[in-house]
Amino acid sequence: AQKITQTQPGMFVQEKEAVTLDCTYDTSDPSYGLFWYKQPSSGEMIFLIYQGSYDQQNATEGRYSLNFQKARKSANLVISASQLGDSAMYFCAMRVTGNQFYFGTGTSLTVIP
Amino acid sequence: DAGITQSPRHKVTETGTPVTLRCHQTENHRYMYWYRQDPGHGLRLIHYSYGVKDTDKGEVSDGYSVSRSKTEDFLLTLESATSSQTSVYFCAISFTGTPNNEQFFGPGTRLTVL
Repeated sequence: AQKITQTQPGMFVQEKEAVTLDCTYDTSDPSYGLFWYKQPSSGEMIFLIYQGSYDQQNATEGRYSLNFQKARKSANLVISASQLGDSAMYFCAMRVTGNQFYFGTGTSLTVIP
Repeated sequence: DAGITQSPRHKVTETGTPVTLRCHQTENHRYMYWYRQDPGHGLRLIHYSYGVKDTDKGEVSDGYSVSRSKTEDFLLTLESATSSQTSVYFCAISFTGTPNNEQFFGPGTRLTVL
């Protein structure tokens, strides 16, 4: 079965602090990709970061990094130096064989000034 | 900008009426997807397409049909809308030409079925 699990419905972080959003996945495909998307209150889906299942190093994109632990099947998103504009819903997603994508239920992040 | 548009952006309809949502892309991407987003469920795949006239079902396909007669257009039809189909619908394309094959999304269509 293909599944993405995000266990944190809501998170709070102080401005300028770092925050980790959890994501675990389940797949039997040997090759897969893991993604994080941001959805601000305006509703659009914004691609943030990608990690391939064979990538040896954790992905980084500016203030975003993906903590990939393959044995634990986790792909946590780390946001460093949080900003007020980071307040949004965050979705973890997985791409498997056939270019199908599965999404988690999302985590709502609120950055406190 | 992946050049994805959705129409209409907002629609209110009545139970039992047919509804068609359109997704249009300008860059000839092979893969196109329809998702619905509901609170507590994230995004769930309804149908996807991997080429003209090539489509397949996702996890929540009951009550929905799709068609893709041209590369640039992917249509989602609710044959007889029900209140449970009130949702936000997103179209997406996948960049198969890059190592990531990431998805990019349209702006969404908010559908209300009364």
